[in-house]
Amino acid sequence: GQNIDQPTEMTATEGAIVQINCTYQTSGFNGLFWYQQHAGEAPTFLSYNVLDGLEEKGRFSSFLSRSKGYSYLLLKELQMKDSASYLCAVLETGGSYIPTFGRGTSLIVHP
Amino acid sequence: DVKVTQSSRYLVKRTGEKVFLECVQDMDHENMFWYRQDPGLGLRLIYFSYDVKMKEKGDIPEGYSVSREKKERFSLILESASTNQTSMYLCASSLESGAGRNEQFFGPGTRLTVL
Repeated sequence: GQNIDQPTEMTATEGAIVQINCTYQTSGFNGLFWYQQHAGEAPTFLSYNVLDGLEEKGRFSSFLSRSKGYSYLLLKELQMKDSASYLCAVLETGGSYIPTFGRGTSLIVHP
Repeated sequence: DVKVTQSSRYLVKRTGEKVFLECVQDMDHENMFWYRQDPGLGLRLIYFSYDVKMKEKGDIPEGYSVSREKKERFSLILESASTNQTSMYLCASSLESGAGRNEQFFGPGTRLTVL
């Protein structure tokens, strides 16, 4: 089984940088996803990490440390439209293609 | 462009009614999923299917059933709706893949209210 933990809510200022953490415990790690979900909308894929290190994609980056069971999503140059929930999801080994989702972090960006 | 559609955005039903939620994907994906999403609880898996006519229980299957007669369509059925099934229901699909990135694509969701 898995235990995925992320903060419930965060606030940040427009133009700033924010880091959303996700810790997990799993018997066999096989990848970690980040999704973004605006209020009333479907989650959309942001990133996937399976190896240690930082993956950068525009203003968003995702980091993974498998030995620490830790990932973070880094959002730079925050915009008001970045206000959303950010979901961390972990895949286990064993042939499963079904990720387990954390409860999500609600990010509020204010002017 | 990848697309997952759900039959209704909003639905209001009465206790005891039979409810059908339909999901269609146009990406020829093998895997399809039904989740419910509630405040403070996140996404919880109800059922999933990895092939036509195949289904597996997720974490919270009680009170639900599913049907997958065609590859592109996955239906969620509430045999006798109850008020505790008031929720946002999200359908998703993904490619069948033994390794590597196989992210899920989500539909827009159906907000079901059971009175």
